[in-house]
Amino acid sequence: NAGVTQTPKFQVLKTGQSMTLQCAQDMNHNSMYWYRQDPGMGLRLIYYSASEGTTDKGEVPNGYNVSRLNKREFSLRLESAAPSQTSVYFCASSERDRATHTEAFFGQGTRLTVV
Amino acid sequence: RKEVEQDPGPFNVPEGATVAFNCTYSNSASQSFFWYRQDCRKEPKLLMSVYSSGNEDGRFTAQLNRASQYISLLIRDSKLSDSATYLCVVRNRDDKIIFGKGTRLHILP
Repeated sequence: NAGVTQTPKFQVLKTGQSMTLQCAQDMNHNSMYWYRQDPGMGLRLIYYSASEGTTDKGEVPNGYNVSRLNKREFSLRLESAAPSQTSVYFCASSERDRATHTEAFFGQGTRLTVV
Repeated sequence: RKEVEQDPGPFNVPEGATVAFNCTYSNSASQSFFWYRQDCRKEPKLLMSVYSSGNEDGRFTAQLNRASQYISLLIRDSKLSDSATYLCVVRNRDDKIIFGKGTRLHILP
């Protein structure tokens, strides 16, 4: 049972480099999410996609772009990495919520360091 | 102001004690509520959903007060294995899922 798979697990970038974080889920979920987690800050929503073909900004979208490639895959791109983007990035997926308390499932995270 | 607010702690509690966490949310359109648990450097995992009538799962009890926009979690007879960060989570009608900063709990032997 793969669930939500993120790649890579670790990455070191130089300031100004670009990279794409990949996320794939095999649970046929409609909604997918990208979060970042910094010490003492909890998880902050970067972007989300409530369904295939749609994406919306979260709490901290600046410096990031996303692509909902298909129902399974949701990628996060850093066009020009900055040290402030050093963080742990989590991808999550969930079925659409109809006030039924649908759980979100998380990948294991990508630990990104920008030097 | 963050949409979901929690006391960050840490709460240092002796084993066997009862501990309560509180959380407030600001968006009245929020429709589903959860408590997640996160262990150090791991991904968050669902602890329990929070229903309007309140709900219990073993030693854990969750309450929701929609009028006050307030959520709580009570842990009874705490165990060493309960040491973790507890995240209050709110899901809105547009499927946006917002996390609080989390409350750190340390259970002391």
